[in-house]
Amino acid sequence: QQQVKQSPQSLIVQKGGIPIINCAYENTAFDYFPWYQQFPGKGPALLIAIRPDVSEKKEGRFTISFNKSAKQFSLHIMDSQPGDSATYFCAASMVSGAGGTSYGKLTFGQGTILTVHP
Amino acid sequence: DSGVTQTPKHLITATGQRVTLRCSPRSGDLSVYWYQQSLDQGLQFLIQYYNGEERAKGNILERFSAQQFPDLHSELNLSSLELGDSALYFCASSPGAGAFYEQYFGPGTRLTVT
Repeated sequence: QQQVKQSPQSLIVQKGGIPIINCAYENTAFDYFPWYQQFPGKGPALLIAIRPDVSEKKEGRFTISFNKSAKQFSLHIMDSQPGDSATYFCAASMVSGAGGTSYGKLTFGQGTILTVHP
Repeated sequence: DSGVTQTPKHLITATGQRVTLRCSPRSGDLSVYWYQQSLDQGLQFLIQYYNGEERAKGNILERFSAQQFPDLHSELNLSSLELGDSALYFCASSPGAGAFYEQYFGPGTRLTVT
C-alpha cells in the first residue's frame, strides 16, 4: 500500500516532443505528490509538486495532471529539450500516518530515464 | 546548488568496517531526511530528524543509526558494512517536518564496500 508505481522505465523523444511519465498509487492517505529530476552524479532536484485538491498544475514547461479517483498522476514536459535528458522520479508523502510517524517521508517511484534527441 | 552539503562525496571501505556520513541542511531548515539509492531498490527513505529529535523511520537496518546535532547537522553511521550496503546516500532538508514542506536534496555520498 506504500508503493508508488512509475512507468515507463525509459523514454526516448525527439526535441520538441512531449514526454509523459505516469505514476499510480494505492494509499489514499497520500496527500502530496512531488516530481524530482536527477542528473547523473547529482542529487534529485524538486521540479514541481501537487496536492490532490488540484487536477493540474503548470510550472514553465512542466505540467502535473492529477486524477484522484484513479489514484494516478503524470508529468508532461512541453517542448522537450536535450537538456531535459535525465531521470525523473515521482513521489508521494502524507501529512501523518498511523501513529503519526510519517511526517513528510517520500515514497518514490522507480524512476524514468528520459532521453531527448536533438 | 540546493544548499544542502554532504561529505564525503565518495567513500570506499571494506566489509565489516564502520563509516560516518555527514549532512548540513540548508540554512534555516530544521528537518533532515536520509535516503538510500541503489539500482535494485531505487530511492528508499531511511530516517528523519526534526530539530534534533527522530521523527520517522523507514526500512533502516539495525546496523545503521543517525543523529541530528544542536547545530542541526546530521550524521548517518553505518556499521558492520556488507557488500549490499554499497549505494548512494542522500540527505535532504526541509523547513518543517510535514509532508507539504519541500525537500531539497544534497549531492549525495557514494559508498562502495569492497
